[in-house]
Amino acid sequence: ILNVEQSPQSLHVQEGDSTNFTCSFPSSNFYALHWYRWETAKSPEALFVMTLNGDEKKKGRISATLNTKEGYSYLYIKGSQPEDSATYLCAFRGTASKLTFGTGTRLQVTL
Amino acid sequence: GAGVSQSPSNKVTEKGKDVELRCDPISGHTALYWYRQSLGQGLEFLIYFQGNSAPDKSGLPSDRFSAERTGGSVSTLTIQRTQQEDSAVYLCASSLRTDRYTFGSGTRLTVV
Repeated sequence: ILNVEQSPQSLHVQEGDSTNFTCSFPSSNFYALHWYRWETAKSPEALFVMTLNGDEKKKGRISATLNTKEGYSYLYIKGSQPEDSATYLCAFRGTASKLTFGTGTRLQVTL
Repeated sequence: GAGVSQSPSNKVTEKGKDVELRCDPISGHTALYWYRQSLGQGLEFLIYFQGNSAPDKSGLPSDRFSAERTGGSVSTLTIQRTQQEDSAVYLCASSLRTDRYTFGSGTRLTVV
């Protein structure tokens, strides 16, 4: 059974705060690490697909880093806004083609 | 289509009844996945179809669950003799091979 863990489980920040979450995954048989954002009553939306150790990706105020040797990825949000409120999911892809998801970090941003 | 379409969006069924959930993936996407999220749990893999290959059924929780994908496009997930623990949001996703997933909006299944 693959272990993909995310922390914290939930997070409550003020508008304008910067924040980050962690995803840990197996460091062996790594193929890709995905990040998704899942807003209530909507479909999960792909943020990043990361494949190379040391990779950094950025999309607006959101960025992510990847360390495949130690098995972790960080997702950063700079200057959080209320519309960033969502559950952020990471998913590991190893040699099997399916993704194994973490349980997510629920972010709430208030004014 | 433009996105992944799932139907119904909500389904309430009585314990013991059979249900069918439908997924219409993005045209041309060769891979199709079913996941579910039970209350308080993460996304749980159920089954994966890739082209004409035999599906990966390793995540199906019991033999009451089955899925098929006809003509490499539409997929139907069938749950026979539903139980209360089957209540969950069932999500379908499609992708080009193993690229990022595009998810549907899900079917919320409630077994009463």
